[in-house]
Amino acid sequence: QQQVKQSPQSLIVQKGGISIINCAYENTAFDYFPWYQQFPGKGPALLIAIRPDVSEKKEGRFTISFNKSAKQFSLHIMDSQPGDSATYFCAASTTSGTYKYIFGTGTRLKVLA
Amino acid sequence: DGGITQSPKYLFRKEGQNVTLSCEQNLNHDAMYWYRQDPGQGLRLIYYSQIVNDFQKGDIAEGYSVSREKKESFPLTVTSAQKNPTAFYLCASQTGTVTGELFFGEGSRLTVL
Repeated sequence: QQQVKQSPQSLIVQKGGISIINCAYENTAFDYFPWYQQFPGKGPALLIAIRPDVSEKKEGRFTISFNKSAKQFSLHIMDSQPGDSATYFCAASTTSGTYKYIFGTGTRLKVLA
Repeated sequence: DGGITQSPKYLFRKEGQNVTLSCEQNLNHDAMYWYRQDPGQGLRLIYYSQIVNDFQKGDIAEGYSVSREKKESFPLTVTSAQKNPTAFYLCASQTGTVTGELFFGEGSRLTVL
């Protein structure tokens, strides 16, 4: 119940294409769903996050789509650029009590020039 | 600049030796975390601390120890009891806001020879 399942493990996209990464969770107590971006040799950094009271959140080329009934959420990167090549982690947590995050296993994205 | 500083960036250790990884933050955050990152396994929680002089085990605490004597510092000791210590270790601190964003350091890569 505490797992967050992320797919695909790796993704190759042409420049200008759309990158889509999916995550699924089971624990309905989760109410905060961030995405973290990690470049090689660096620590992850918050990219975008969503609460379950909305179905979509957009920040520039990055969009989170959230399906509460299916317990799934996804990251869409529009007009993907080589600079987007990184590892992306979805995560889930509850905003009450301890903010322990449960992370997905990560998706390594490569955008070809 | 405010942030999380981890040291050393690279560390080599012989089997049977304990090593300590340093993590310092100047963000005035109460909560701090240690994660282990292995390829294909995402970020797994080792230990976390929500306040000075208090810490809790995460999902993979065996073979590790921590201390939290100061708000700014949360060192991790990888003991000889840790059977597979070669990994990338990430320290993070967390804001006290509702969303509890994690701020990560740049990581320490430990290799056991």
